Amino acid sequence: AQKITQTQPGMFVQEKEAVTLDCTYDTSDPSYGLFWYKQPSSGEMIFLIYQGSYDQQNATEGRYSLNFQKARKSANLVISASQLGDSAMYFCAMREVGGSQGNLIFGKGTKLSVKP
Amino acid sequence: DGGITQSPKYLFRKEGQNVTLSCEQNLNHDAMYWYRQDPGQGLRLIYYSQIVNDFQKGDIAEGYSVSREKKESFPLTVTSAQKNPTAFYLCASSIVQGQTEAFFGQGTRLTVV
Repeated sequence: AQKITQTQPGMFVQEKEAVTLDCTYDTSDPSYGLFWYKQPSSGEMIFLIYQGSYDQQNATEGRYSLNFQKARKSANLVISASQLGDSAMYFCAMREVGGSQGNLIFGKGTKLSVKP
Repeated sequence: DGGITQSPKYLFRKEGQNVTLSCEQNLNHDAMYWYRQDPGQGLRLIYYSQIVNDFQKGDIAEGYSVSREKKESFPLTVTSAQKNPTAFYLCASSIVQGQTEAFFGQGTRLTVV
């Protein structure tokens, strides 16, 4: 069974608008972390934001925020005021403290295209 | 500057040959990882290591081998036993304890010719 599910293979957003990229996860470990990475066409993986399972508040980093709904096992990424440079693949990932020595498990990604 | 370096950026291999992808980090991280990425797919774990001279198989280790003789280095060998090696390979490192992000290299694109 997939542990990280990203249901949107591709998304379009108008420049300067906000966009939400969906991510749901599956774990029985009470302690885990959720991560979002951006992968531009050059291929490198750029860390965007982190949310811990015990964090009371949603994480924010500049234009990025994470809408964490623990009961629904959902960790959606919200990008505000989209820019052309935001066009890239976005990956949601999870690290379980108890399993697999803390390896990052990735979803299949969402390709975001920002239209001018 | 601290970071993680992969080389080469592009690699071509003839069928039946072994090739080694280099990964070096100067972040003083104990944990290092190798992932494979196929077009339109997420990253799949090949091998990981949490300490020098120790490593474990990930989800798709068949046809690959690694070594961890130094903390800074975690080379990946793609052997002739790997039937479909053409892919993008990413190396990452992280501290072991705590929920911290992994830092990635620039990747190596391997093509079998």
